[in-house]
Amino acid sequence: DTGVSQDPRHKITKRGQNVTFRCDPISEHNRLYWYRQTLGQGPEFLTYFQNEAQLEKSRLLSDRFSAERPKGSFSTLEIQRTEQGDSAMYLCASSGGTGGANEKLFFGSGTQLSVL
Amino acid sequence: AQSVTQLGSHVSVSEGALVLLRCNYSSSVPPYLFWYVQYPNQGLQLLLKYTTGATLVKGINGFEAEFKKSETSFHLTKPSAHMSDAAEYFCAVALGGYQKVTFGTGTKLQVIP
Repeated sequence: DTGVSQDPRHKITKRGQNVTFRCDPISEHNRLYWYRQTLGQGPEFLTYFQNEAQLEKSRLLSDRFSAERPKGSFSTLEIQRTEQGDSAMYLCASSGGTGGANEKLFFGSGTQLSVL
Repeated sequence: AQSVTQLGSHVSVSEGALVLLRCNYSSSVPPYLFWYVQYPNQGLQLLLKYTTGATLVKGINGFEAEFKKSETSFHLTKPSAHMSDAAEYFCAVALGGYQKVTFGTGTKLQVIP
């Protein structure tokens, strides 16, 4: 169990540029989640995959955001035409099982995005 | 819809003193409740969780929390604070599973030597 890996750890970009983040979940975890955390706030749910299927998207996920999980393994989160308000820590989490009471979320260390 | 409110964005305690971090929840159905800890430059780590059954739950590092339905609370306690407990703590709630965990705004715990 190597944990949830996120890449890059930090990303600085100019407004209007596109950025892509990667998340490698714990192997064989079928569920993968993306959260966003801004300064002084708790993480906010963005989207959720079970295997390769994206089952839920938050209203926070505007049409500039897209997430994929091809083959049900790693996931990417792309932000197009970045805005300063997109600056945040983007967290990935994974879990195994059926979503019941014994399921546990494992979080990565996050990707810190700064939009200048 | 579910939500949690954490009272106090910053809490300071002396080493060896009681730690009490407050959390109140709002949920239309019996919730699952969690406490997570976040150390600098590290991912969120689950401290403890309440799903069903015993209302006093024990977690890692000597922390525990009690689910009080009548008070809609899930406060986190530890009898004696250690320097290593300095971190940010998040209370969270979910309905029927882990798919959409809603987090509070966090409480930063400072431990004074």
